[in-house]
Amino acid sequence: GESVGLHLPTLSVQEGDNSIINCAYSNSASDYFIWYKQESGKGPQFIIDIRSNMDKRQGQRVTVLLNKTVKHLSLQIAATQPGDSAVYFCAENRHGGDYKLSFGAGTTVTVRA
Amino acid sequence: AAGVIQSPRHLIKEKRETATLKCYPIPRHDTVYWYQQGPGQDPQFLISFYEKMQSDKGSIPDRFSAQQFSDYHSELNMSSLELGDSALYFCASSRDRGSSPLHFGNGTRLTVT
Repeated sequence: GESVGLHLPTLSVQEGDNSIINCAYSNSASDYFIWYKQESGKGPQFIIDIRSNMDKRQGQRVTVLLNKTVKHLSLQIAATQPGDSAVYFCAENRHGGDYKLSFGAGTTVTVRA
Repeated sequence: AAGVIQSPRHLIKEKRETATLKCYPIPRHDTVYWYQQGPGQDPQFLISFYEKMQSDKGSIPDRFSAQQFSDYHSELNMSSLELGDSALYFCASSRDRGSSPLHFGNGTRLTVT
């Protein structure tokens, strides 16, 4: 399943399939990007981050892609599991400048058994 | 591993009352952040502290104030509460002045009646 191109607020994906969540960021000066997962009643949980000197970074079952030209970020989840059901947020920051992290609108991922 | 601790988990107040939320960051983290998250919304940055000094300010109402103490814990003080203040309030902490991932607590759910 994929929220193609522009951000979509919801994504339904079959268990075992790959998920792709897209995010557009706003500040061209941002150089640090983070994906967070938020489950109901809990705080955002760090998934993976990437700095602007990279265009791809892989973690365990997750890959983040960064396209600075179009200010676009994506999160790929391989072999999506029921435990992946949550709201996913991308966030941006600017190194050495603002002491805040700005969140984009979340994408609610629902995994179908 | 130690996480960000917030208290209380739930708080119910009446309009025009005051509330104090507490946050204990991860040891050796130098930056503390406060976020407000309304229902179905992304977290909105309120304020941050670096080494006990206020470092950045977001959409924090004048009725709210915050401080960080010598032991690095932080408190968010909210006065003249309004119904619209009902939300989840998250505290987060990070190392390296925010150029490392923010780690979030599980939040305080404030309900104003």
